[in-house]
Amino acid sequence: DAGVIQSPRHEVTEMGQEVTLRCKPISGHNSLFWYRQTMMRGLELLIYFNNNVPIDDSGMPEDRFSAKMPNASFSTLKIQPSEPRDSAVYFCASSLGGGQNNEQFFGPGTRLTVL
Amino acid sequence: KQEVTQIPAALSVPEGENLVLNCSFTDSAIYNLQWFRQDPGKGLTSLLLIQSSQREQTSGRLNASLDKSSGRSTLYIAASQPGDSATYLCAVKWGGGNKLTFGTGTQLKVEL
Repeated sequence: DAGVIQSPRHEVTEMGQEVTLRCKPISGHNSLFWYRQTMMRGLELLIYFNNNVPIDDSGMPEDRFSAKMPNASFSTLKIQPSEPRDSAVYFCASSLGGGQNNEQFFGPGTRLTVL
Repeated sequence: KQEVTQIPAALSVPEGENLVLNCSFTDSAIYNLQWFRQDPGKGLTSLLLIQSSQREQTSGRLNASLDKSSGRSTLYIAASQPGDSATYLCAVKWGGGNKLTFGTGTQLKVEL
């Protein structure tokens, strides 16, 4: 398996623009997670899905952020409008099944820079 | 509040040395604890997962232990190599969901 796939790997945009990050989980995994990593706050969970359904979005910072999972093999994280403070590395992870003892496997991340 | 702490933030050791990385957590009622490795500019690689019912897990030169009562986990690396240089993160899952809470990591450098 190719592992968790994220695109783009790097994104540079201007303040106010819409940004869409994409993730393809490992085939067969039915839990998907979006994280954000910054120097100041470390790794933070933004939202996670089980069987394509959002379960916990308490980490989503504000209404400018939204995430969707239209099917088991694809998810998006959208920021509209983007702001410089959104600059971070965004990771997608997936795990097998809904069991709480399943390991999470991470993608390579998308490095977002908002100017 | 459920928090995860890793001390020290950075560690430098000579090649061949055995070393221990520390992770502490505030609420002992954990579900599991996972150790990750992150190389610069890369994603996270899962190293070991310890369930709450386990005391330790081993993989090659790595051994992770868990002491829930004291709120601590350690990652032991035997015979360190320059290729072990990376940031090591521990993450705790408490009951009630799939959320992982991460520590801030220990940046390890193994020198020749």
